[in-house]
Amino acid sequence: AQSVTQPDIHITVSEGASLELRCNYSYGATPYLFWYVQSPGQGLQLLLKYFSGDTLVQGIKGFEAEFKRSQSSFNLRKPSVHWSDAAEYFCAVGASNTGKLIFGQGTTLQVKP
Amino acid sequence: GAGVSQTPSNKVTEKGKYVELRCDPISGHTALYWYRQSLGQGPEFLIYFQGTGAADDSGLPNDRFFAVRPEGSVSTLKIQRTERGDSAVYLCASSSGGGITEAFFGQGTRLTVV
Repeated sequence: AQSVTQPDIHITVSEGASLELRCNYSYGATPYLFWYVQSPGQGLQLLLKYFSGDTLVQGIKGFEAEFKRSQSSFNLRKPSVHWSDAAEYFCAVGASNTGKLIFGQGTTLQVKP
Repeated sequence: GAGVSQTPSNKVTEKGKYVELRCDPISGHTALYWYRQSLGQGPEFLIYFQGTGAADDSGLPNDRFFAVRPEGSVSTLKIQRTERGDSAVYLCASSSGGGITEAFFGQGTRLTVV
C-alpha cells in the first residue's frame, strides 16, 4: 500500500541552527514527491517537488530536499532556520495519473529564539 | 479568482444535520480535489474531479459523503446525517491538469459537529 511516514511528530530547533525533517515513503511506481508547509490559519503551500532528474531539489524559502531511492527517503533540509519557519510540514507522494496526494502525518517545527 | 476559495471558513452543525461545503477553484483549473484533515493528522484524500466528472472517489468514507462539480468549476461537498467524527478541516485544491502538476490549496472549511 502507498504510504508516507514522517517519524518526527515534533521538532524544536534554535534560530540559526540547521534543520532536517525526515520522510520515508512506500510507493510501487516511480514516486512523485512533495513537501508542503502549513502555517496556522493558512492553506498548504508547496515548498518543493521531485519528479525526476537531479535528486537534490531546491525550493522556496531556502529549503532543499534530497531523494534517495535506496532508502525510500525524501528528507527536507535548511541550513539556517528563521523564526518564521515555525509551522507544520507535510511530506506527500503523488499518483502520476491523477495527481492525488498521499500525505504523511506531519512534523511540527518549533523555533527557539 | 487569485486562489482557491472555500466557503464557509467555519461551520458548526448539530449531529444528524446536512451540510454543504463549497470550493471555488482557480479559474481554468480542470482538476479539483477534496481532502479531509483531522486534528494532528495529514490531509486525507476524498475525491478527485477532472472536469465535471468524479474520476476517483475512493477516499469518500461512506455513502453519507457526496460531491458534485456540475459545470466543471465550483464544487460542493455534501455530508448527510453528520456525525461528531466528521469534525475536521475540509481542504479543496485545484490544478491545471489531471496528472502530476502543482496543486493549489484553499484555506479550508473547519467543520464542527456538536
